Amino acid sequence: GQQVMQIPQYQHVQEGEDFTTYCNSSTTLSNIQWYKQRPGGHPVFLIQLVKSGEVKKQKRLTFQFGEAKKNSSLHITATQTTDVGTYFCAPPNAGGTSYGKLTFGQGTILTVHP
Amino acid sequence: EAGVAQSPRYKIIEKRQSVAFWCNPISGHATLYWYQQILGQGPKLLIQFQNNGVVDDSQLPKDRFSAERLKGVDSTLKIQPAKLEDSAVYLCASSPRAGVVDTQYFGPGTRLTVL
Repeated sequence: GQQVMQIPQYQHVQEGEDFTTYCNSSTTLSNIQWYKQRPGGHPVFLIQLVKSGEVKKQKRLTFQFGEAKKNSSLHITATQTTDVGTYFCAPPNAGGTSYGKLTFGQGTILTVHP
Repeated sequence: EAGVAQSPRYKIIEKRQSVAFWCNPISGHATLYWYQQILGQGPKLLIQFQNNGVVDDSQLPKDRFSAERLKGVDSTLKIQPAKLEDSAVYLCASSPRAGVVDTQYFGPGTRLTVL
């Protein structure tokens, strides 16, 4: 079945440093979503990537979808304490009748030290 | 627009007891999901409804878990009897359309502790 690996599992940075998390799939993906979950909170949708090689930016966040559509990354420039949380990639479930089901990675926990 | 509502927010029970969670999705959303999130892990889908029909319950432990979505709106998830390993946050999410990969809007979750 589909395997999704997110690395790193944990990342501690000083405020102002950059941060990147990577999501790797064993299969080619039709698209991929990213979610953020603050400590004690619930996942919140960030973005969906669909096209091969796609790059999307949201202020200090840059999302990329690999050319082969088997990996994706999220890069945060100049982290702030508000960036603290767990970042999940969530590709759709592999299979012919996924009905919109997502498979969440294990997430990358980001800690930002002021 | 009101978000996804869930209740209760917290529940503590003893093993072998029963518990029920309630979810009210965003108005008009066709698809409703129940996830289990164990501490330190990503959400794991338990069951997915499209309108009032089940389209995926492959990871639902059917010997103890049950769920229904009445009239294609509210949903309840029940555990009977609970086990220690059921301690987790139970998240409800909804998405506007059926049958496509769509943005999922999550509720605040119910934190279940089984003693």
